[in-house]
Amino acid sequence: AQTVTQSQPEMSVQEAETVTLSCTYDTSENNYYLFWYKQPPSRQMILVIRQEAYKQQNATENRFSVNFQKAAKSFSLKISDSQLGDTAMYFCAFMKHANSGGSNYKLTFGKGTLLTVNP
Amino acid sequence: DTGVSQNPRHKITKRGQNVTFRCDPISEHNRLYWYRQTLGQGPEFLTYFQNEAQLEKSRLLSDRFSAERPKGSFSTLEIQRTEQGDSAMYLCASRRGANTEAFFGQGTRLTVV
Repeated sequence: AQTVTQSQPEMSVQEAETVTLSCTYDTSENNYYLFWYKQPPSRQMILVIRQEAYKQQNATENRFSVNFQKAAKSFSLKISDSQLGDTAMYFCAFMKHANSGGSNYKLTFGKGTLLTVNP
Repeated sequence: DTGVSQNPRHKITKRGQNVTFRCDPISEHNRLYWYRQTLGQGPEFLTYFQNEAQLEKSRLLSDRFSAERPKGSFSTLEIQRTEQGDSAMYLCASRRGANTEAFFGQGTRLTVV
């Protein structure tokens, strides 16, 4: 079974600053996906960024980037130039790859980090 | 494409009553998931459908829970004889293919009093 750990229940950052959210995971799989999801207050969860484990290059989406350390099983999210709209719960999630056999592509989530961007 | 729709958004029920939630996935998404999210926790997997077939159920899904997806379109999640511990946000997600993005609905918040 996979586990995902987010050790920072809450974080805050000033608008326009950079913040990094931490995530570690445990798995015996070699091929998998990692995700960061954003859940704004009273709104649905949306995908921020995803990383395929077999790709060494860290994923980047505009102001969002990850630092994926496969050997350390670490997957942190960096948000640059933070905006007020970034205020939300952020969840790190794991999913077995389709080639892993028996995967129903369900997501295993961490407990989340509440990020507050202050003006 | 209006996204994943869940109804109702909120439900308050008395302990012991039965409740049913509905999820309408994005059209042509053949994979549908139910998750439960309690306060301070991340979503936890409950069950998975591929088309109309329920292919996996979590141990979290007790005998009081049942889910269906007739005709492989919308899905319902029923909880019988609700208990206070059932109070949570119930999330539905759908995806089109194996390695594609999962889209989530806004969830149904259940409060059992």
